[in-house]
Amino acid sequence: SQQGEEDPQALSIQEGENATMNCSYKTSINNLQWYRQNSGRGLVHLILIRSNEREKHSGRLRVTLDTSKKSSSLLITASRAADTASYFCATDTSSGGYQKVTFGTGTKLQVIP
Amino acid sequence: EPEVTQTPSHQVTQMGQEVILRCVPISNHLYFYWYRQILGQKVEFLVSFYNNEISEKSEIFDDQFSVERPDGSNFTLKIRSTKLEDSAMYFCASSPPKGRTEAFFGQGTRLTVV
Repeated sequence: SQQGEEDPQALSIQEGENATMNCSYKTSINNLQWYRQNSGRGLVHLILIRSNEREKHSGRLRVTLDTSKKSSSLLITASRAADTASYFCATDTSSGGYQKVTFGTGTKLQVIP
Repeated sequence: EPEVTQTPSHQVTQMGQEVILRCVPISNHLYFYWYRQILGQKVEFLVSFYNNEISEKSEIFDDQFSVERPDGSNFTLKIRSTKLEDSAMYFCASSPPKGRTEAFFGQGTRLTVV
């Protein structure tokens, strides 16, 4: 598998339901980030979790990181139609002070009103 | 809220022409990046830039590409002789001085090479 692979590739849920997306990666990381992209638009940073953290929350978002399994999950609770977008995990593997992020293939989420 | 701005939002250019994509990073950021996303594919790292030099570049960033910070605010990506396969969305990003933290992305420039 490639660095940063999300599953599922596509997810369709009803408004109000929870959405869970998973990400697996291959190499050691400094941190893992989740981004959102509306169709044809820019990338919006959602949350960053460092390699020494296991769980992080931000509003309706909950991210977990399991470095032993090299995997992360993003949970969106009480989904809304406006959450419809593609979600990408991105792993930072740089050795310097800068960030070098490798993006995954993305999960396309559709929330049906 | 401060943001990264990119111009133009869409650029159409003829194959073989030079193109310059412009970015204004967030003012107190010190690390700058370019990424690209070919339609329907992954976002790919091109280059990172710090202290007026390239920190790291990917295999994609060949001799056709160059970056420059011509003044205190702009950060540019130049493609010397565009090819059809350069058609993509190009994203500029910047991150704060402490580094190894999230990058803030611009809205992207859609480059179409015809």
